[in-house]
Amino acid sequence: NAGVTQTPKFQVLKTGQSMTLQCAQDMNHNSMYWYRQDPGMGLRLIYYSASEGTTDKGEVPNGYNVSRLNKREFSLRLESAAPSQTSVYFCASQRGQGANEQFFGPGTRLTVL
Amino acid sequence: SQQGEEDPQASSIQEGENATMNCSYKTSINNLQWYRQNSGRGLVHLILIRSNEREKHSGRLRVTLDTSKKSSSLLITASRAADTASYFCATDSTTDSWGKLQFGAGTQVVVTP
Repeated sequence: NAGVTQTPKFQVLKTGQSMTLQCAQDMNHNSMYWYRQDPGMGLRLIYYSASEGTTDKGEVPNGYNVSRLNKREFSLRLESAAPSQTSVYFCASQRGQGANEQFFGPGTRLTVL
Repeated sequence: SQQGEEDPQASSIQEGENATMNCSYKTSINNLQWYRQNSGRGLVHLILIRSNEREKHSGRLRVTLDTSKKSSSLLITASRAADTASYFCATDSTTDSWGKLQFGAGTQVVVTP
């Protein structure tokens, strides 16, 4: 099992450009998440999907959109990138809501110039 | 604002010593989890302690939870160079009906041979 995979690993964008970060998991998990991690801060939740067909905003959703394409895949889209979105983005999955651990992908390091 | 706050922010210890880090949080929780992040990688789940538990062990890890003080500690015994990483606590708050995790800013631990 590959676990949680993310593409791309690195990306540089110019202000105003758009892009989609891809995430897939092969553990048959119901719930998936997108976080961003900035220096000196913990992970902040951008969007999550409790189950296939549902998505909800997290703590910092502005400037982002998501799509839960199917049970395996959960993508994060930046429509018009801004320098404030320079960060490391992590996707995670969880078997179900509640007390279960989350499994993280390797991250995408995004720089917006 | 951060739900979990770890201290110290950073520590440096010798191989064989014990590493201790603390986490304080603000709201009532269902459980508290600890994660490890090696440089440039995603987070890896270490241990989960439920709100009705006071202490839990897993290998060289010992976690305590004091819900009256809203705090937890993670102890790594007989540390190794491979334990060099950032450690994050994450809380599953009872005030969040869905059970999303909130992460602290992390403690960076360096273990020198």
